[in-house]
Amino acid sequence: SAVISQKPSRDICQRGTSLTIQCQVDSQVTMMFWYRQQPGQSLTLIATANQGSEATYESGFVIDKFPISRPNLTFSTLTVSNMSPEDSSIYLCSVGSPKATSGGTDTQYFGPGTRLTVL
Amino acid sequence: QKEVEQNSGPLSVPEGAIASLNCTYSDRGSQSFFWYRQYSGKSPELIMSIYSNGDKEDGRFTAQLNKASQYVSLLIRDSQPSDSATYLCAAKASGGSYIPTFGRGTSLIVHP
Repeated sequence: SAVISQKPSRDICQRGTSLTIQCQVDSQVTMMFWYRQQPGQSLTLIATANQGSEATYESGFVIDKFPISRPNLTFSTLTVSNMSPEDSSIYLCSVGSPKATSGGTDTQYFGPGTRLTVL
Repeated sequence: QKEVEQNSGPLSVPEGAIASLNCTYSDRGSQSFFWYRQYSGKSPELIMSIYSNGDKEDGRFTAQLNKASQYVSLLIRDSQPSDSATYLCAAKASGGSYIPTFGRGTSLIVHP
């Protein structure tokens, strides 16, 4: 499985400001994803980060609010813009691992997450 | 709309007992199924994957899949307090996309 790191691990921000979260993977991966997990809730996919093209956003998420960069196959950033308290959440980077040899299956692995609190 | 349903719990079991976690899914095209364990304040960790009908065992964990009933379960034998966590079920259709649909998770509490 891939080793994924995220920075920062946590932050406390003022409303109206922006925070950029970095995700680094130890190997080249085709698919990178950004999720949000609010307290007591399951995972909500924000967008798929595509290398060399614009990210694909899920319903309810827009590029102006959550701009994403994917400059290469091992790195991506997610920016949470013009933050409000409702953006307080854990943000998770995830990568898709391709199918292994016969009998394997493609799976997703998660980074350690960024815990964001907006005051 | 693709949905994965789980009882939110909490499911409370005594130490040493078998914990049974259940999950149903709506998309009949789902081919791959996953169980993730998430400790409080941590990110999800993949513990089991299954894609054929029947049972798949890995240590104390057994995943069970019944595609006809659109049902997936996870059994944890000899439950330990360290198994206390939220367990997320996920289902994914075949194809090139790696994006599964996640359930809300079941909170498991194993008490001494």
